[in-house]
Amino acid sequence: GENVEQHPSTLSVQEGDSAVIKCTYSDSASNYFPWYKQELGKRPQLIIDIRSNVGEKKDQRIAVTLNKTAKHFSLHITETQPEDSAVYFCAATSDTGRRALTFGSGTRLQVQP
Amino acid sequence: ETGVTQTPRHLVMGMTNKKSLKCEQHLGHNAMYWYKQSAKKPLELMFVYNFKEQTENNSVPSRFSPECPNSSHLFLHLHTLQPEDSALYLCASSQDGHYNEQFFGPGTRLTVL
Repeated sequence: GENVEQHPSTLSVQEGDSAVIKCTYSDSASNYFPWYKQELGKRPQLIIDIRSNVGEKKDQRIAVTLNKTAKHFSLHITETQPEDSAVYFCAATSDTGRRALTFGSGTRLQVQP
Repeated sequence: ETGVTQTPRHLVMGMTNKKSLKCEQHLGHNAMYWYKQSAKKPLELMFVYNFKEQTENNSVPSRFSPECPNSSHLFLHLHTLQPEDSALYLCASSQDGHYNEQFFGPGTRLTVL
């Protein structure tokens, strides 16, 4: 099955700095990679996703990059703000066949004002 | 309330009790999921239902019994649980399959004494 590893487990940055969270996956058949944000005491919510037919996707201050050859993908947050503080989860799955969405172990991001 | 709702929000039960968790989605989705969230495994998939059919059982102990009477409702029946089953149980739904955005409910915080 799929195995997703996520690093770092915790990340502290100063407001305005950039934050990068990295994930690797094991199954070369995986082709859908969403990122979820979970604020303290709240439910996870999708913030961005990428499919394997593209290498990069941006949405305002967040971007995701995908390297299929190396089997890793990353979340980039620029100009971080205190409200970006949360736990971020990466995930991977395939749209061919019945493949569960496998989540990484999460990264706790703390943005210091 | 719109989106995905869960009841109860908090539950304390003894190891010999029988209780049920309820999830309801108002999004017209066809797939529903149960996840367990704990410090040990941040987002662990338990069960998947697609068009009311169970498509995944992620090696979950039989003391957890899911039920999906229709595409809008999902239950998790609990009996003879162990203290290590204490966790946040999250329900989610998606249009269909794993490769679409999953919308999570607020979760049920379960404590097993």
